[in-house]
Amino acid sequence: AQSVTQLGSHVSVSEGALVLLRCNYSSSVPPYLFWYVQYPNQGLQLLLKYTSAATLVKGINGFEAEFKKSETSFHLTKPSAHMSDAAEYFCAVSPSSGSARQLTFGSGTQLTVLP
Amino acid sequence: DTGVSQDPRHKITKRGQNVTFRCDPISEHNRLYWYRQTLGQGPEFLTYFQNEAQLEKSRLLSDRFSAERPKGSFSTLEIQRTEQGDSAMYLCASSSKPNTGELFFGEGSRLTVL
Repeated sequence: AQSVTQLGSHVSVSEGALVLLRCNYSSSVPPYLFWYVQYPNQGLQLLLKYTSAATLVKGINGFEAEFKKSETSFHLTKPSAHMSDAAEYFCAVSPSSGSARQLTFGSGTQLTVLP
Repeated sequence: DTGVSQDPRHKITKRGQNVTFRCDPISEHNRLYWYRQTLGQGPEFLTYFQNEAQLEKSRLLSDRFSAERPKGSFSTLEIQRTEQGDSAMYLCASSSKPNTGELFFGEGSRLTVL
């Protein structure tokens, strides 16, 4: 069984401020972890993924996430927010064995960037 | 490179009617997925095809739902006797990489059941 919990359904930051979106996972086997982003009126897009290599993962648009097994966390960060980062962000988990049909998403965090 | 396309983008129907959604995956992708997303929630897995074979169905997929991928290319998702609880965004995704979770999503088909 696997699940993810995203803390905070809405996060607001000022332009240029640090972005921190929280994700905690639960998995009975070693997980693969993902962040997807959904811009308005667009499909979900893979932002970054952890697949048991480096624990600090860099993604597109300056985002990165760190896998912390001891904390069962995979928080998403970006040093300086840009207006174009406003979107909904989904954390997702799948077992490291098995297929993508077992991708389980969190409920999402809506990021607002204030000018 | 065309992405995953879904049709129609929006569908409004009356309770009890049947609806069908179509998904055209990225052409070289042999894996196709349907997810459902309701307001305030993340996508929930419905079903999965590898080529034309439907390999997995979620408990969410009641007997009123049927999905096909007859030639291993496009897929259809049909909902019979729609209920108000079926109102949601239906997402299609495709992938060519097994077991990695890297899915390419379409923009979704929004269903409203009155």
